[in-house]
Amino acid sequence: DGGITQSPKYLFRKEGQNVTLSCEQNLNHDAMYWYRQDPGQGLRLIYYSQIVNDFQKGDIAEGYSVSREKKESFPLTVTSAQKNPTAFYLCASSTETDIGTGELFFGEGSRLTVL
Amino acid sequence: DQQVKQNSPSLSVQEGRISILNCDYTNSMFDYFLWYKKYPAEGPTFLISISSIKDKNEDGRFTVFLNKSAKHLSLHIVPSQPGDSAVYFCAVVTGANNLFFGTGTRLTVIP
Repeated sequence: DGGITQSPKYLFRKEGQNVTLSCEQNLNHDAMYWYRQDPGQGLRLIYYSQIVNDFQKGDIAEGYSVSREKKESFPLTVTSAQKNPTAFYLCASSTETDIGTGELFFGEGSRLTVL
Repeated sequence: DQQVKQNSPSLSVQEGRISILNCDYTNSMFDYFLWYKKYPAEGPTFLISISSIKDKNEDGRFTVFLNKSAKHLSLHIVPSQPGDSAVYFCAVVTGANNLFFGTGTRLTVIP
């Protein structure tokens, strides 16, 4: 079945450690996105990529890094520089056409907790 | 500054009645307006959208209304079902293909 797979679903991290969240899609979508959701807030864009080997910062990119070496994969690294990393992280993808209409296909999310 | 505002954090409706979820936006230059539905511990799923050149779009039990003069978007669910209980996010797309989400409204449909 086509879809987006995020892993791990739950992750605990000690302060000062980097952690990488995986996102893989087999939808053949060109664009991929990382969002963060905090309680009482909407989804906020961290990074996005419209083509392989290219990505752009979103609204809250500080303390995060990404790579897009393959069309199917868009991993997100939460670095120790991120001051408040505990959150629910969502990966999404879209076709080139749907970039302009906002129709994204989301994964099930990864919940990161910093101890 | 928030581009999109959902002022009601929660809404409860009896099964079979109409649910109306509201959203206000700040910029008249948005191109597309969308509603997403989210269950706990899952990613949002796209529900329905409307282009800025229209004022209504219907898909089964779901209808989205766009009032451009008031910069207001609403989602009507008729009739409401218990399975509709979820958090609903409105979202807008700018000309630069940026997508902004509201803070969400939690809908509870009471059987």
